[in-house]
Amino acid sequence: EVQLVESGGGLVQPGGSLRLSCAVSGFTFSTYEMNWVRQAPGKGLEWVSYITTSSSTIYYADSVKGRFTISRDNARNSLYLQMNSLRAEDTAIYYCVRGRGSTTVWGQGTLVTVSS
Amino acid sequence: DIVMTQSPDSLAVSLGERATINCKSSQSVFHSSNNKNYLAWYQQKPGQPPKLLIYWASTRESGVPDRFSGSGSGTDFSLTISSLQAEDVAVYHCQHYYTAPYTFGQGTKLEIK
Repeated sequence: EVQLVESGGGLVQPGGSLRLSCAVSGFTFSTYEMNWVRQAPGKGLEWVSYITTSSSTIYYADSVKGRFTISRDNARNSLYLQMNSLRAEDTAIYYCVRGRGSTTVWGQGTLVTVSS
Repeated sequence: DIVMTQSPDSLAVSLGERATINCKSSQSVFHSSNNKNYLAWYQQKPGQPPKLLIYWASTRESGVPDRFSGSGSGTDFSLTISSLQAEDVAVYHCQHYYTAPYTFGQGTKLEIK
């Protein structure tokens, strides 16, 4: 069974940092591109970042560029999102998402709350 | 960046009736190299992550009931539920995956009338 399990969310003060992790199982992680997508409370979906299988190509949404860093460890079957300089508007559920289009699978998400 | 705009924002349809949700992209998401539209539809129920329904604009994901269908090409797309069931109450999202950023529409809330 394909599984993506996010962790690392929580309450953080504005300006603080968090590192999200996504542990995957049930498929060959190293052969799939990966994404982070977030959803603010009661709002729509916002694509955050993308990484290719070898980490050779990485993209970010303008809203997080320069503050967030996506990475992966294929040996550990894990995806990461380092989030720095957090703002109130970064408050959201963060989803780890495998692939694009036909290969898409979503994790259950982890909640990040940025508040003083 | 490609902007995705869904209409309507919300929709109320009677059980057994047809529901249609539209999605318009600010640029074409059709790739001539493989004749495919890089457009997906997702269903999201409260407290759950989105679930893939349709990819390549019209290909139904395995296990998705055939009352769900996707159509369109270029910049204009639709998701149609041919006969609304109670379990179809959800928010529906379109997303392009043509080129980064892979933006979503704002979502359409589907309810029972």
